[in-house]
Amino acid sequence: SAVISQKPSRDICQRGTSLTIQCQVDSQVTMMFWYRQQPGQSLTLIATANQGSEATYESGFVIDKFPISRPNLTFSTLTVSNMSPEDSSIYLCSVESREMYTEAFFGQGTRLTVV
Amino acid sequence: KQEVTQIPAALSVPEGENLVLNCSFTDSAIYNLQWFRQDPGKGLTSLLLIQSSQREQTSGRLNASLDKSSGRSTLYIAASQPGDSATYLCAVRDFSGSARQLTFGSGTQLTVLP
Repeated sequence: SAVISQKPSRDICQRGTSLTIQCQVDSQVTMMFWYRQQPGQSLTLIATANQGSEATYESGFVIDKFPISRPNLTFSTLTVSNMSPEDSSIYLCSVESREMYTEAFFGQGTRLTVV
Repeated sequence: KQEVTQIPAALSVPEGENLVLNCSFTDSAIYNLQWFRQDPGKGLTSLLLIQSSQREQTSGRLNASLDKSSGRSTLYIAASQPGDSATYLCAVRDFSGSARQLTFGSGTQLTVLP
């Protein structure tokens, strides 16, 4: 299994500001995934991040709002920009292990509250 | 487009009871199905992964079954304990479109009463 460290675990931010969430994996992975879980809802995929290329965003998510970096095979960041209260969610980083038949592993999540 | 439904949305049982959580999906052409546990405000912990060619997987007191033809999976928890209290999510990985994309159900919130 993969061990994923995500920081910060939680934050309270003022509207109009930005927050960068970090995700560190204990092994090299090709793809990293960023999800959002709004209060009382299930997970929605924001984007897929490959090392050395631009992230691929899902419908409804744009790079200007959620810029992603992937500088190497073990690290990625997600920035939530120009935040509003509607951005209050849990943000989760995920990786998959091809050696384990594409089992997905998740970080502990970042609980974001925008006031 | 794949849709995943979990019933019931919430379940409360006394300690020691055996219970079943249900997951159904609309497109049976799946690659695999995974069950997760989520504690409040936290990330997801992988419980069991079932490949499309498998019928069930077991880990300790947990047993997950898969009936691809009917689009259903169940998670059986034996001898439930208060520590099992959490939200349980199932997620389906499709062949179509992005083979890596997971579609999640909305979860079953389980409370085990001491």
